[in-house]
Amino acid sequence: GAVVSQHPSWVICKSGTSVKIECRSLDFQATTMFWYRQFPKQSLMLMATSNEGSKATYEQGVEKDKFLINHASLTLSTLTVTSAHPEDSSFYICSAAQVLGGGETQYFGPGTRLLVL
Amino acid sequence: AQSVTQLDSQVPVFEEAPVELRCNYSSSVSVYLFWYVQYPNQGLQLLLKYLSGSTLVKGINGFEAEFNKSQTSFHLRKPSVHISDTAEYFCAVVDYTGNQFYFGTGTSLTVIP
Repeated sequence: GAVVSQHPSWVICKSGTSVKIECRSLDFQATTMFWYRQFPKQSLMLMATSNEGSKATYEQGVEKDKFLINHASLTLSTLTVTSAHPEDSSFYICSAAQVLGGGETQYFGPGTRLLVL
Repeated sequence: AQSVTQLDSQVPVFEEAPVELRCNYSSSVSVYLFWYVQYPNQGLQLLLKYLSGSTLVKGINGFEAEFNKSQTSFHLRKPSVHISDTAEYFCAVVDYTGNQFYFGTGTSLTVIP
């Protein structure tokens, strides 16, 4: 089956630093990748949609200058949280879209838990 | 736009009992439907999906779901749950024209020994 990895799985950083999270589709090419944020005991909130070779599309209310997304290849997308603050602490999940059987399915990474001190 | 409603935020059920997790959606266009499971501190794992064809869809771990277009529902069922089924379950929908998923708020299934 389709596998999506994320690295790192856990990161703790000081306030004001930048953190980069990688999302990779291991056994398929994904033209589209998505970044979500999940608060405790809540559903996923879509942050942005990332297409290979083009600028990401951000959802309303998501600061594109704070959450930098780079989709460098068909198997790699990165999310950089710039100048992180404690309120950025959250669980960040990426997904990669694969078209199968006439429909598109998203496969999710294991998530990255960010704690900003 | 689409929306997904999971009416039950928490569902406790005894081990080996049947369970149904409800999902209703609203959309002005045809959609694809998905159920995902999330174990603690992990990402989402695809349980099953409905794209077309038979309205009864079977997934992993003994789960199945039935697409009911007239009632705009896609309820998830399992005839006999195990302790290991304790997790958060999310219903999601995407329309034929786009690739943005809309997730429900999730249902926390707790299996009681």
